[in-house]
Amino acid sequence: TQLLEQSPQFLSIQEGENLTVYCNSSSVFSSLQWYRQEPGEGPVLLVTVVTGGEVKKLKRLTFQFGDARKDSSLHITAAQPGDTGLYLCAGARTGNQFYFGTGTSLTVIP
Amino acid sequence: SAVISQKPSRDICQRGTSLTIQCQVDSQVTMMFWYRQQPGQSLTLIATANQGSEATYESGFVIDKFPISRPNLTFSTLTVSNMSPEDSSIYLCSVVKGAGGELFFGEGSRLTVL
Repeated sequence: TQLLEQSPQFLSIQEGENLTVYCNSSSVFSSLQWYRQEPGEGPVLLVTVVTGGEVKKLKRLTFQFGDARKDSSLHITAAQPGDTGLYLCAGARTGNQFYFGTGTSLTVIP
Repeated sequence: SAVISQKPSRDICQRGTSLTIQCQVDSQVTMMFWYRQQPGQSLTLIATANQGSEATYESGFVIDKFPISRPNLTFSTLTVSNMSPEDSSIYLCSVVKGAGGELFFGEGSRLTVL
């Protein structure tokens, strides 16, 4: 059972569209991270959010941590084919152990 | 950052056999983590490997099935014992580095059990 539920599970959009991915849990995490993974590779960190209500922007990507530190969202503006991949949120518990969300597979069609 | 090498990168095994996956890190780390991932799906934490003590296993994973060694601060092995087709998966080794606690991963070991 995954501690973190992501939605949607699959997303296929046209280049230029906007999208939001959600990561929800009933547990509180000390921090939450978002990773992107491409086939045949390990996940690569996009961002870490630590404070409840925190918003971070990384070019066209906007990340938000919920006030109660139980949920997060990733918003992509004007998606590009290079954004295609598996997006994973990961919550940190004690001892630097990370628990990953269920994943969102994004395909951006040129 | 951290560079992690895993071996083998892929293998096809027979039911009932065991396979040991090796993980080598380019720097010393206190904890190493082993994850399992079905293709296209999320990662499930198997265990945390600590140098000098027994590994800590997550619910649903036991030492008899997934024995782990951690002989030093740069190396760990995960053995998948008495394999069945349900064990077919990608196994990933990872470490935490940096002030922000970033996870770095190996490229994974893709295991197929026939």
